[in-house]
Amino acid sequence: GAGVSQTPSNKVTEKGKYVELRCDPISGHTALYWYRQSLGQGPEFLIYFQGTGAADDSGLPNDRFFAVRPEGSVSTLKIQRTERGDSAVYLCASSPAGRTNYGYTFGSGTRLTVV
Amino acid sequence: AQSVTQPDIHITVSEGASLELRCNYSYGATPYLFWYVQSPGQGLQLLLKYFSGDTLVQGIKGFEAEFKRSQSSFNLRKPSVHWSDAAEYFCAVGALGNNAGNMLTFGGGTRLMVKP
Repeated sequence: GAGVSQTPSNKVTEKGKYVELRCDPISGHTALYWYRQSLGQGPEFLIYFQGTGAADDSGLPNDRFFAVRPEGSVSTLKIQRTERGDSAVYLCASSPAGRTNYGYTFGSGTRLTVV
Repeated sequence: AQSVTQPDIHITVSEGASLELRCNYSYGATPYLFWYVQSPGQGLQLLLKYFSGDTLVQGIKGFEAEFKRSQSSFNLRKPSVHWSDAAEYFCAVGALGNNAGNMLTFGGGTRLMVKP
């Protein structure tokens, strides 16, 4: 597609529930990134995919968070047993290769609210 | 580990006035530096980036930034602000992570308000 698409744009869930957030990167972009932006803060890195594999997951806060990219295109961020502290905007970005000097293209994000 | 500080949480300028948003970074090598803008409900849009070479970088929408190694700074400037520039601005530093992965480390952002 023309840009990075994230669905849903908004998600409200109850504490303890499981959620999935989807990212559809720009066609042909091999690198895909997930970031989390809490209210009033800058985005924080979660995980980076190069192709199908998670090359760097050092930003995932705990084992409730998991992400996949099975065919090297669409990625899904999965959060188990959601907590109120998980409420944030989850941003996805893609780039043509794995180096930051190519720059990212960000999606508009999914706003997750845990009540 | 790298870090980015944006000292000003909020800045208000009058339309037509000049603008400078401050950014200081900490990184052990030559950094890749970026400025992004985020309008409400929107994703992050890249304004400009610095990798090497000329320390004065031109970006979109009339913005420029100057890399000053001695001050570990990468301040964003615009000579004449327009009302449509009101948004949140983020400075970021890029570095090689694990497995040649490349995360960006963002500052906390500066919210720009423009007075008519």
